[in-house]
Amino acid sequence: ETGVTQTPRHLVMGMTNKKSLKCEQHLGHNAMYWYKQSAKKPLELMFVYSLEERVENNSVPSRFSPECPNSSHLFLHLHTLQPEDSALYLCASSLGLAATGGELFFGEGSRLTVL
Amino acid sequence: GNSVTQMEGPVTLSEEAFLTINCTYTATGYPSLFWYVQYPGEGLQLLLKATKADDKGSNKGFEATYRKETTSFHLEKGSVQVSDSAVYFCALTRNTGRRALTFGSGTRLQVQP
Repeated sequence: ETGVTQTPRHLVMGMTNKKSLKCEQHLGHNAMYWYKQSAKKPLELMFVYSLEERVENNSVPSRFSPECPNSSHLFLHLHTLQPEDSALYLCASSLGLAATGGELFFGEGSRLTVL
Repeated sequence: GNSVTQMEGPVTLSEEAFLTINCTYTATGYPSLFWYVQYPGEGLQLLLKATKADDKGSNKGFEATYRKETTSFHLEKGSVQVSDSAVYFCALTRNTGRRALTFGSGTRLQVQP
């Protein structure tokens, strides 16, 4: 496999469920990101990890809990979500936080529906 | 803070028409500017970028010029194809410190044959 892979591609969950989104990158990058994509809104940066250390957390509710066990894997643990959390969750990676090229490589996203 | 404003879509064009998607930004200092494209069912991909004022980014027939005086980075293509149908995102990043991208809301382009 190459690039950035996200699983599952689609997830439907109730408000009391606990689930996790997984992201894996095979690019040798050391920075990883979670973005939330909602209709007609800018992509929202949720979390940034560099060398497995969280370096940015943009006021995301605690019902979203990220985990970065190594530089190739990133998880987003979900619990007691709300219907307004339904969105496409995008994972991305980059060579480094300070890369002046600024290029992020994105996965195809996990479409989350909260009932 | 930093922000990016894009024209609302969808933009619907006939094949071979001229395309402009407007993008303006607000940022401190001198950011780098980007256009990303998201084809149906796929993640975002970098389309082009410009890192300083008056730079022109270009790729696949698309162009955008970094205009500091108007804080704009409009995307243009002289002749669109059906295969260009996608969502286009304008974005910026700081050139110092942490450089996570700030995105606009995206503009959907639909090209009809």
